[in-house]
Amino acid sequence: AAGVIQSPRHLIKEKRETATLKCYPIPRHDTVYWYQQGPGQDPQFLISFYEKMQSDKGSIPDRFSAQQFSDYHSELNMSSLELGDSALYFCASSSGGVETQYFGPGTRLLVL
Amino acid sequence: QKEVEQNSGPLSVPEGAIASLNCTYSDRGSQSFFWYRQYSGKSPELIMSIYSNGDKEDGRFTAQLNKASQYVSLLIRDSQPSDSATYLCAVTGGFKTIFGAGTRLFVKA
Repeated sequence: AAGVIQSPRHLIKEKRETATLKCYPIPRHDTVYWYQQGPGQDPQFLISFYEKMQSDKGSIPDRFSAQQFSDYHSELNMSSLELGDSALYFCASSSGGVETQYFGPGTRLLVL
Repeated sequence: QKEVEQNSGPLSVPEGAIASLNCTYSDRGSQSFFWYRQYSGKSPELIMSIYSNGDKEDGRFTAQLNKASQYVSLLIRDSQPSDSATYLCAVTGGFKTIFGAGTRLFVKA
């Protein structure tokens, strides 16, 4: 069965640079979620989209923005990167807001 | 107080024993409850979902939900070394899912 696809899988950036993470949900899933997970921490909810509209917002910094496109894929744009942004970024998708979320493999971001 | 609380562990059980993982949540309006397993550096993998009070069994796993007590648990029977991982409790209300900090489980061979 098709799973959530994230790209790139690994990313190295310098401080103050910009990064774009991409997420392709499971086919026919209309909801996408973004999470940030630091070392030894639980996933922190950043933002979610349902039917291309922002549905909820968590602890997403103002330097980050995201959107969901007409084909339901989503992109997380991160600007003015800081060392503390180094983390695993997971995307998850579901069919509707309360249904089970399935996670992608994650993008490991390292900011030097 | 965190919205979803779990004992961080580590919880250590011998192979073949029952592992019991617990989770409490604060939002009474929560609708959906999930247990995920996460190996180090990997993405969370769904183990169980539960939506109504009572028990739900799937193979060696049983999830229990008590909305009145705002409590959800996961029992793992016949624990195997491959079950050693961090178990995340997740609670959903609307379009937001809150994860607990996770319980680290070690199953000793």
